Amino acid sequence: DARVTQTPRHKVTEMGQEVTMRCQPILGHNTVFWYRQTMMQGLELLAYFRNRAPLDDSGMPKDRFSAEMPDATLATLKIQPSEPRDSAVYFCASGHSLAHEQFFGPGTRLTVL
Amino acid sequence: DQQVKQNSPSLSVQEGRISILNCDYTNSMFDYFLWYKKYPAEGPTFLISISSIKDKNEDGRFTVFLNKSAKHLSLHIVPSQPGDSAVYFCAASALISNTGNQFYFGTGTSLTVIP
Repeated sequence: DARVTQTPRHKVTEMGQEVTMRCQPILGHNTVFWYRQTMMQGLELLAYFRNRAPLDDSGMPKDRFSAEMPDATLATLKIQPSEPRDSAVYFCASGHSLAHEQFFGPGTRLTVL
Repeated sequence: DQQVKQNSPSLSVQEGRISILNCDYTNSMFDYFLWYKKYPAEGPTFLISISSIKDKNEDGRFTVFLNKSAKHLSLHIVPSQPGDSAVYFCAASALISNTGNQFYFGTGTSLTVIP
């Protein structure tokens, strides 16, 4: 049963702390996306990787957010330092560059106090 | 700038009736459109899609209609069932030569099907 996994599922932290979210894409998928769900913006694209290379991270606040793919089985999204306005649900999705459909993970609900 | 818009945050429909969810877009370069369904505490799951060369795609109780001249698409669910209660996201993609497909999502419409 192939699916995207994300850890942790929930994270509560204090302002100023570093937060790292992890994603394991579906084996064989070569595109990985990070989204943030907010009430006002819906699903905002934060970063987009193809074959582990970052193609678009224009949606990320560069001063505090960073996204990497250390290998094909792991994508990370890091926030340092975290702020209360970062509180949201963060989704990872994977897919194949030849297809349009994306497969989403269950999300990480982040609360920054 | 929201390139994909879902202007109705919520919709309530009686079981057995038709649910119509609407989506508008601004970018004429979009060549593929998708609908995702999201239950609470889960990630969105793909529901149905349509290419810009078509105006209709049907899959069981779900039909998506595309009106390119109006830059509008809609998702019809008939008959609606209580299990269809979820948030529905409209998404559009455009092929950007140096980065591949770019995806844009709407803000979602929360559908409640009343038994």
